[in-house]
Amino acid sequence: ETGVTQTPRHLVMGMTNKKSLKCEQHLGHNAMYWYKQSAKKPLELMFVYNFKEQTENNSVPSRFSPECPNSSHLFLHLHTLQPEDSALYLCASSQEVVEPQHFGDGTRLSIL
Amino acid sequence: QKEVEQNSGPLSVPEGAIASLNCTYSDRGSQSFFWYRQYSGKSPELIMFIYSNGDKEDGRFTAQLNKASQYVSLLIRDSQPSDSATYLCAVDSGAGSYQLTFGKGTKLSVIP
Repeated sequence: ETGVTQTPRHLVMGMTNKKSLKCEQHLGHNAMYWYKQSAKKPLELMFVYNFKEQTENNSVPSRFSPECPNSSHLFLHLHTLQPEDSALYLCASSQEVVEPQHFGDGTRLSIL
Repeated sequence: QKEVEQNSGPLSVPEGAIASLNCTYSDRGSQSFFWYRQYSGKSPELIMFIYSNGDKEDGRFTAQLNKASQYVSLLIRDSQPSDSATYLCAVDSGAGSYQLTFGKGTKLSVIP
């Protein structure tokens, strides 16, 4: 079982749909992150949660809504996305913030 | 705007040679530096991290940090075809920030 598990691995949705991405970490870490990776762009940090509390929101549009019910689970709720939101969404966790981060396999999202 | 610069490559080296990957960063307050390896279609995998000036060795990998020059590098000795991947440099924002800024990555190709 990998340390950071993301589901689904692939998601295709229309612009009017609502869906959620799920991340679960089995490493006992206290910090969790959402990143977006688009082609030919650096990884972009979206959200940071530390001990279940959101500590960073990097000017992410409100059509992305994170949820962290406990230190092991992180969700990214999606609604009315745009075609430019098509990307690989990566979840990561670390023991403490800014310690080495461990990534999940990502969700490849395509917006029709 | 904090920046992390990497040569996008591709960097081609023959099998058995030393591969040298370089990264410069703009924020003098940065304290933590990370190297990730990302195979095509996969998520980033932590290779090395370094916090202090100088060299840090782990097997075939050596990370080198020079804070005065704002420069961090990764050396891969005895390069293998399996090392062929994109290598991402990541730097923290310093001053207790939770953010990592990633470079666009350098694509390494090890030729058998």
